Amino acid sequence: DVKVTQSSRYLVKRTGEKVFLECVQDMDHENMFWYRQDPGLGLRLIYFSYDVKMKEKGDIPEGYSVSREKKERFSLILESASTNQTSMYLCASSPPAVGETEAFFGQGTRLTVV
Amino acid sequence: AQSVTQLGSHVSVSEGALVLLRCNYSSSVPPYLFWYVQYPNQGLQLLLKYTTGATLVKGINGFEAEFKKSETSFHLTKPSAHMSDAAEYFCAAGSSASKIIFGSGTRLSIRP
Repeated sequence: DVKVTQSSRYLVKRTGEKVFLECVQDMDHENMFWYRQDPGLGLRLIYFSYDVKMKEKGDIPEGYSVSREKKERFSLILESASTNQTSMYLCASSPPAVGETEAFFGQGTRLTVV
Repeated sequence: AQSVTQLGSHVSVSEGALVLLRCNYSSSVPPYLFWYVQYPNQGLQLLLKYTTGATLVKGINGFEAEFKKSETSFHLTKPSAHMSDAAEYFCAAGSSASKIIFGSGTRLSIRP
């Protein structure tokens, strides 16, 4: 069974903290994504990576960075967490030609910044 | 730029009634289209997808969707709603050169 695993289901962090969200996939997929999900806004793409050490900005990259040192792992970093980054974060992976094939999602991390 | 519009942020139907969730996309080139479902506190799961070929696509759990190029639509239907269908549903579009674009989601409630 294919799997995308996010390290935490729930996180509570303080304003100004550096926050790491980890995602691992076991499908040997080239593409990995981080989305943010907010009510009424659907899923918005933060960053994506199509290869190790490669990354591209999505629609809302401000305040975030990413790291992909190994093919199976894609990390989202909040350099200095703020309350407006309280949200559900979803990681996904897919084979190449992502528009033609489905993406596989993790369970999500619900982050609260206080 | 591509966009995906889901009409109705919340749809409520009675158990056993028809489910119809609406999705329109904007694109000059027919995209690849997807419907995903998200149950509470879970990630997204693929319901069905259209890439090429037959325009009526059948998915899991009795859902189907029809690609209508003339209407730029990809509406999701199920003949008879079940309580277990209560979830949030996302329509999405992608192209071979870009990422997947998601709609804002429709929350489906089922009345007993």
